[in-house]
Amino acid sequence: KAGVTQTPRYLIKTRGQQVTLSCSPISGHRSVSWYQQTPGQGLQFLFEYFSETQRNKGNFPGRFSGRQFSNSRSEMNVSTLELGDSALYLCASSLAVPANYGYTFGSGTRLTVV
Amino acid sequence: KQEVTQIPAALSVPEGENLVLNCSFTDSAIYNLQWFRQDPGKGLTSLLLIQSSQREQTSGRLNASLDKSSGRSTLYIAASQPGDSATYLCAVGGYSGGGADGLTFGKGTHLIIQP
Repeated sequence: KAGVTQTPRYLIKTRGQQVTLSCSPISGHRSVSWYQQTPGQGLQFLFEYFSETQRNKGNFPGRFSGRQFSNSRSEMNVSTLELGDSALYLCASSLAVPANYGYTFGSGTRLTVV
Repeated sequence: KQEVTQIPAALSVPEGENLVLNCSFTDSAIYNLQWFRQDPGKGLTSLLLIQSSQREQTSGRLNASLDKSSGRSTLYIAASQPGDSATYLCAVGGYSGGGADGLTFGKGTHLIIQP
């Protein structure tokens, strides 16, 4: 069965622009969560969606937002990009919240802000 | 706030050795713990999932244990191979404010297996 699909794989944006990343979960999974990975901070939780509702949010500024659609696909948006937003953004899907059966991750979107 | 620590940060050993990677967490209110591996520039591959009520899980040459009361987990890799070279990440799924959190990750152990 298909895994977690993230698009695009790579992005280069200019400071001040905004960006939208997409994540399609495993078929049947209703929860999608997002993580930011940087060399300095490691993997940090951004937010988690279940049945189109944000269930939890990490400690990130309001420039980071997301949404989930009725087909469980999710998008993450970052507005007014800063150089420090350069990172690997990973999406994970799970059957439900809490993820009693664990999370499955996608390959990520590498965002570079110049 | 949950904090996850992984020791050692890096490890380089010859092929064939048995290895133990350590993970500790500060808040025992978890629902499970998951070990992942990450190859350079790639996403995360799940290795083992341990529910909070379990003590250990095994998959092939990998064995993970969980002691929730002491806030510790170990990942045991038997007969290591060069293909095991990767970064190994420990992540706990916990609770706060009555709801489930996302995963809290350690910084990882960067493992190199020398042929």
